[in-house]
Amino acid sequence: SQTIHQWPATLVQPVGSPLSLECTVEGTSNPNLYWYRQAAGRGLQLLFYSVGIGQISSEVPQNLSASRPQDRQFILSSKKLLLSDSGFYLCAWSLDSSSGNTIYFGEGSWLTVV
Amino acid sequence: AQSVTQLDSHVSVSEGTPVLLRCNYSSSYSPSLFWYVQHPNKGLQLLLKYTSAATLVKGINGFEAEFKKSETSFHLTKPSAHMSDAAEYFCVVITNTGGFKTIFGAGTRLFVKA
Repeated sequence: SQTIHQWPATLVQPVGSPLSLECTVEGTSNPNLYWYRQAAGRGLQLLFYSVGIGQISSEVPQNLSASRPQDRQFILSSKKLLLSDSGFYLCAWSLDSSSGNTIYFGEGSWLTVV
Repeated sequence: AQSVTQLDSHVSVSEGTPVLLRCNYSSSYSPSLFWYVQHPNKGLQLLLKYTSAATLVKGINGFEAEFKKSETSFHLTKPSAHMSDAAEYFCVVITNTGGFKTIFGAGTRLFVKA
């Protein structure tokens, strides 16, 4: 069966510091991978998605970047965090981009920028 | 343009009574519709999905939803609420016509009273 792991689960970082959130998927090949952000009291916003190694699509302009160095690894990064980057970040995967495919989510990472 | 509206930000029911969480969508294309549940500080878990097959969809934990194209609705129901159902519920539209899009509703917080 497929599993998705993301870490760290909780992170407190000072403004201006770098960020790296990692996500890996097991049990499948060539998945579509996603990073979402959930701000307090709001729904989820798609930040990045990737259909293959080195292929990243950005949905919104922001202070963050994403990379996919391996087939089942997806990394969310920032060189200098802003206060507004605080939130709950969710990694997810699906088999492909057809609309009927379920998106499966990781457990999330709480980021607090202080 | 696609959009998802969850009509209630909060719903409170007594244990053992029916649950109704309302969702209306707007899409220029034939969408796939999903309901996810999120328990506090956790990732999202799929409850059920509609992908143009049967309009009444049964999911996990006794939940079901009916796709009504004429009303552009996809309301989530459960005959009898359980305390463990207390969580945040998200209605989601996914389309891949004119570009891959995932549109989340703002969420409905379900409270279950003993």
